[in-house]
Amino acid sequence: GNSVTQMEGPVTLSEEAFLTINCTYTATGYPSLFWYVQYPGEGLQLLLKATKADDKGSNKGFEATYRKETTSFHLEKGSVQVSDSAVYFCARAIYNQGGKLIFGQGTELSVKP
Amino acid sequence: DVKVTQSSRYLVKRTGEKVFLECVQDMDHENMFWYRQDPGLGLRLIYFSYDVKMKEKGDIPEGYSVSREKKERFSLILESASTNQTSMYLCASSLGAQPQHFGDGTRLSIL
Repeated sequence: GNSVTQMEGPVTLSEEAFLTINCTYTATGYPSLFWYVQYPGEGLQLLLKATKADDKGSNKGFEATYRKETTSFHLEKGSVQVSDSAVYFCARAIYNQGGKLIFGQGTELSVKP
Repeated sequence: DVKVTQSSRYLVKRTGEKVFLECVQDMDHENMFWYRQDPGLGLRLIYFSYDVKMKEKGDIPEGYSVSREKKERFSLILESASTNQTSMYLCASSLGAQPQHFGDGTRLSIL
């Protein structure tokens, strides 16, 4: 089947800590993978993406590598800031259905000063 | 920059009312989507459309309908609102297989 599973939140870190948010997916083939971020009171914004195996997406200090052998796309950041507090969603595409996405349940991150 | 605009940020309606949520995008995207977002459940797809006057059911279409009379506008309709439709509603659009762009959401409360 098609699903995306994220680690449960909330995740609370101190400023400058290392962040990992796990994401695994099920799929036939190699769908494009995405991380979206939702800041308080806003809609979702694309954070990064990877379109094929071994691709690394990166943006604003965040990185995620498309690992087909473990069907994973974990989000990492070496040093988080208070402004990174948000909800993070992992998603995979289904391209034969008009660009549909399947989302994980979201992981809330809270960064304390 | 792509702009997806949802007509209301907050909306309060009563049980049984017919509710319209409007979404407009300004980048000529053929694909448009309506999701609802609930704590612990992530985003669930209600309906999507890949062309004018075309619509496809998503994962949770019951109690909803949609309208796409023009390419830039995709409306979500709650035919007879119920309290279990209290939620955050998010509209998105995309071009082909490109990433989706989201509006800021409408927080709908049904009393």
